[in-house]
Amino acid sequence: EAGVAQSPRYKIIEKRQSVAFWCNPISGHATLYWYQQILGQGPKLLIQFQNNGVVDDSQLPKDRFSAERLKGVDSTLKIQPAKLEDSAVYLCASSPDRSRYNEQFFGPGTRLTVL
Amino acid sequence: DQQVKQNSPSLSVQEGRISILNCDYTNSMFDYFLWYKKYPAEGPTFLISISSIKDKNEDGRFTVFLNKSAKHLSLHIVPSQPGDSAVYFCAAEISGYALNFGKGTSLLVTP
Repeated sequence: EAGVAQSPRYKIIEKRQSVAFWCNPISGHATLYWYQQILGQGPKLLIQFQNNGVVDDSQLPKDRFSAERLKGVDSTLKIQPAKLEDSAVYLCASSPDRSRYNEQFFGPGTRLTVL
Repeated sequence: DQQVKQNSPSLSVQEGRISILNCDYTNSMFDYFLWYKKYPAEGPTFLISISSIKDKNEDGRFTVFLNKSAKHLSLHIVPSQPGDSAVYFCAAEISGYALNFGKGTSLLVTP
């Protein structure tokens, strides 16, 4: 079974530029998550989708971050404009559904450096 | 506000000995707890989990213990192997919602 795919793996941009990340979850997984992991911290949820609907985006900085999951499969996360503090690893995860006791499967992440 | 805390940033253990990684949480609504293992440049990988209705779950060399009254869980690895060297994240959730992660503990198993 193929895992969660993410691209690009690395991205370096200057502050105030825009960037987009892509995620392809495990086939058939209804729930998709985007996490931000700052160096030395655990992953922090940015947004959770159930199929193509948003379940939780309470921690997403909506003035600069946006995410979509068209057709309930792939997802993109965009930052516009980027700030220095956005430097982090952005992890995508998926799980079969929102029922109880589902572990989440993580992709390799995209490491973003904002200069 | 950190709801899941791993107070030991690092741990060093000799090969063959027991590794004990600890985790504390503050939210009594959490009903599912997981441990993830992370190697450099990879995403976290699920290791073992426990629901709040249990106090112990075993999977091979890995055992997770849950003490709900103390809001504490621990991961035991017996015996420890050099390949276990990684960062271990404790995570907790209210089922169906996002995981709340600790900051991680870096385990080094020396030969």
